[in-house]
Amino acid sequence: QKEVEQNSGPLSVPEGAIASLNCTYSDRGSQSFFWYRQYSGKSPELIMSIYSNGDKEDGRFTAQLNKASQYVSLLIRDSQPSDSATYLCAGATSGTYKYIFGTGTRLKVLA
Amino acid sequence: DTGVSQNPRHKITKRGQNVTFRCDPISEHNRLYWYRQTLGQGPEFLTYFQNEAQLEKSRLLSDRFSAERPKGSFSTLEIQRTEQGDSAMYLCASSLVGGGAAAYGYTFGSGTRLTVV
Repeated sequence: QKEVEQNSGPLSVPEGAIASLNCTYSDRGSQSFFWYRQYSGKSPELIMSIYSNGDKEDGRFTAQLNKASQYVSLLIRDSQPSDSATYLCAGATSGTYKYIFGTGTRLKVLA
Repeated sequence: DTGVSQNPRHKITKRGQNVTFRCDPISEHNRLYWYRQTLGQGPEFLTYFQNEAQLEKSRLLSDRFSAERPKGSFSTLEIQRTEQGDSAMYLCASSLVGGGAAAYGYTFGSGTRLTVV
């Protein structure tokens, strides 16, 4: 079974701090990775995608990918209470475009 | 076209009844996916279509589940003889197929929450 694993949390950080969310994956064939944010009772919302090793920045969000270590992370700078949500990591294998999701990490940003 | 639309938003049904959900994807997206999500879990893959062709169906999906996408537009997911274990949020998503190894991110609909009593 090809898996994507995340710590379920909750991860609590004070407002204004950097939140670091981590994800590991078992399928070396995975080529593309995605971070989704999901508020309670809502559907997932895409916030970042990353395909190459290294960092990718978009506003307060930075995604990091290390294919050798099979590790993906998401950094949220200047965390706000509105960032409190569950963050889902997903990987996709080339040719299938089927995402395998992790169980999600619940983030709490404390005001 | 404002996004992926799913109907109904909520469905309560008695065990043993059949239910059908509908998904209207973003019009220019040629791939459509169905996922199921239970509390505290990530979305679990059920099946996906490229245009009208169903390309993959999860082994976890019993014969009670069937999905269609006639004419490559909207899709329906039917669950026959519902069981309490079918209670979940059923999520539909759509995406474009890209060239090369990269996959485009899904856009999810709001989901249909099914409760089997």
